[in-house]
Amino acid sequence: AQKITQTQPGMFVQEKEAVTLDCTYDTSDPSYGLFWYKQPSSGEMIFLIYQGSYDQQNATEGRYSLNFQKARKSANLVISASQLGDSAMYFCAMREGPNSGNTPLVFGKGTRLSVIA
Amino acid sequence: GAGVSQSPSNKVTEKGKDVELRCDPISGHTALYWYRQSLGQGLEFLIYFQGNSAPDKSGLPSDRFSAERTGGSVSTLTIQRTQQEDSAVYLCASSHQGVGSPLHFGNGTRLTVT
Repeated sequence: AQKITQTQPGMFVQEKEAVTLDCTYDTSDPSYGLFWYKQPSSGEMIFLIYQGSYDQQNATEGRYSLNFQKARKSANLVISASQLGDSAMYFCAMREGPNSGNTPLVFGKGTRLSVIA
Repeated sequence: GAGVSQSPSNKVTEKGKDVELRCDPISGHTALYWYRQSLGQGLEFLIYFQGNSAPDKSGLPSDRFSAERTGGSVSTLTIQRTQQEDSAVYLCASSHQGVGSPLHFGNGTRLTVT
């Protein structure tokens, strides 16, 4: 079964606008972690932001924030004030906790974001 | 070293040959992962080492694929009798233990099977 679903293969956003990249996940483990990674055309994988299942507040890191809706099992990434350098593939990922045997990080298929000047 | 190191960065091999890909994780990281990424696709999990526990091999696509991690540090991914569909970028990552520990990735090995 698909653990991480990213329904948007591609997204466009105007420079300086905000954009939301969708991610839904599936787990029955009460302890899990959600991650977002950025992969520019150079191919490197860059860690952006983390949200723990027990965290009370949405995670934020600079222009990145995570809209965590636990009951809906969604963890959408919000990028504010988009920049041309934000153009890249974005991957949502999840790791389940001890109840599931500390699983490896499982990735979604990704969303390609293009920022337009 | 400062980051995860993978070698070689590029490998071209003939169909049917064996290849070995090397990963040197960040010092102190107990967990090591191998992923495969085909062109324009997502990351496919291959294998996961955590400390002294038995590795999670559930993602290996066939028995032609194997991996080992010696002394809890360096890992080698071996592909025997390579096929054209094995062509991809093979990414290694390491992390501390714990559900919230992010993975740190190497720059990958681009494997091309001709």
